[in-house]
Amino acid sequence: DAGVTQSPTHLIKTRGQHVTLRCSPISGHKSVSWYQQVLGQGPQFIFQYYEKEERGRGNFPDRFSARQFPNYSSELNVNALLLGDSALYLCASRLAENTGELFFGEGSRLTVL
Amino acid sequence: LAKTTQPISMDSYEGQEVNITCSHNNIATNDYITWYQQFPSQGPRFIIQGYKTKVTNEVASLFIPADRKSSTLSLPRVSLSDTAVYYCLVGDIMDTGRRALTFGSGTRLQVQP
Repeated sequence: DAGVTQSPTHLIKTRGQHVTLRCSPISGHKSVSWYQQVLGQGPQFIFQYYEKEERGRGNFPDRFSARQFPNYSSELNVNALLLGDSALYLCASRLAENTGELFFGEGSRLTVL
Repeated sequence: LAKTTQPISMDSYEGQEVNITCSHNNIATNDYITWYQQFPSQGPRFIIQGYKTKVTNEVASLFIPADRKSSTLSLPRVSLSDTAVYYCLVGDIMDTGRRALTFGSGTRLQVQP
């Protein structure tokens, strides 16, 4: 079975642009969460979705939004990009909402110039 | 948002036992504590998960006291390949009542020959 897949793996944007990052969870996993990891720091929670509903939100501005589709895949959108948005964006999936192992993808590395 | 605290770094030698402690207040009653390992430019990888007392699997043990305000990851006999950053993950109840998932600051373990 395929693991969590994320696309694109790398991308470069300029300030003010928007970006859409995509995540496909492991088959059967209904919970998807997103994290931002700045170089040298731990992952910071952005969103959690379960059964297509938002179940958790971290301390990020409204420029960050996400959604989960009926097939449980997910998109993370970031508008009006800032230099500080440069980071590795990680997606994770798991079977249940609050328990069990989180399976992480390899991330999308975003560089904002 | 509750803060989790881990030592920034630890050094060890091959074959030694390593214990890494994470402090976490405001852990929710129904939340589990999970530890992850991360190598550079990769997504975190699950090590072990527990709710209370002690859990052991083929690679590690997890000790959780009765108050659940901390947890200790024990790696029995480390090797060079265990050099990585280790994170503890707990769920938090934010002031808004929405749930978040919080990584610790991470402990950078360096294993020497």
